[in-house]
Amino acid sequence: SYGVTQPPSVSVAPGQTARIPCEKNRIETAGVHWYQQRPGQAPVLVVYDESDRPSGIPDRFSGSNSGDTATLIITGVAAGDEADYYCQVWDSNTDQPVFGGGTKLTVL
Amino acid sequence: VHLVQSTAEVGKPGATLRISCQASGYTFIDHYIHWVKQAPGKGLEWMGLVDPEDGQQIFAEKFRDTVTMTADTSTDTAYLDLNSLTSDDTAVFFCATGTLQHNLLDHWGQGTLVTVSS
Repeated sequence: SYGVTQPPSVSVAPGQTARIPCEKNRIETAGVHWYQQRPGQAPVLVVYDESDRPSGIPDRFSGSNSGDTATLIITGVAAGDEADYYCQVWDSNTDQPVFGGGTKLTVL
Repeated sequence: VHLVQSTAEVGKPGATLRISCQASGYTFIDHYIHWVKQAPGKGLEWMGLVDPEDGQQIFAEKFRDTVTMTADTSTDTAYLDLNSLTSDDTAVFFCATGTLQHNLLDHWGQGTLVTVSS
């Protein structure tokens, strides 16, 4: 398939580290960005360009990139981190943004 | 930066419905306005963007024939027109802009719920 793929769900115990992968499939991009969406709210940008944080985002949120897979990393996970997380890339061929399908993070 | 959207709307099948997105806190013509659809229980789907500076629209292929995006620089307001409504248009629609970089969306409106019902 073409685009970016995320697992539907990730579960982690409180205080542990959550890792949410985003796999790029045959898509030319520059930069991977991550959004947090809590139920009933608008998405919020939490990481951009794989590992940078907008102002106001705690340093518990970070990211990494290896080959075709970018990963959102959340350390010291708390109940308030339960949300859907979306990766987004910019498709260089179509000059348009593409979202992953989203990953629901559950804090056990 | 603040994007404030119009409130929830109900539309009838076949009708046209307009959603607004009023921008403040930045220079409106400097950044694209994007529209993103979220159907009930589903993920984020990019619909397209409008360049407020010249009104140019860029569409995701799926939405090319069913939506119109415009921007009014006199009121710093962007509009999304949903044409020929069907039940598939029942969703939350977000406007968003990227002020950090053009290839991301760092400010979002609160979303507008559209319900299509006869």
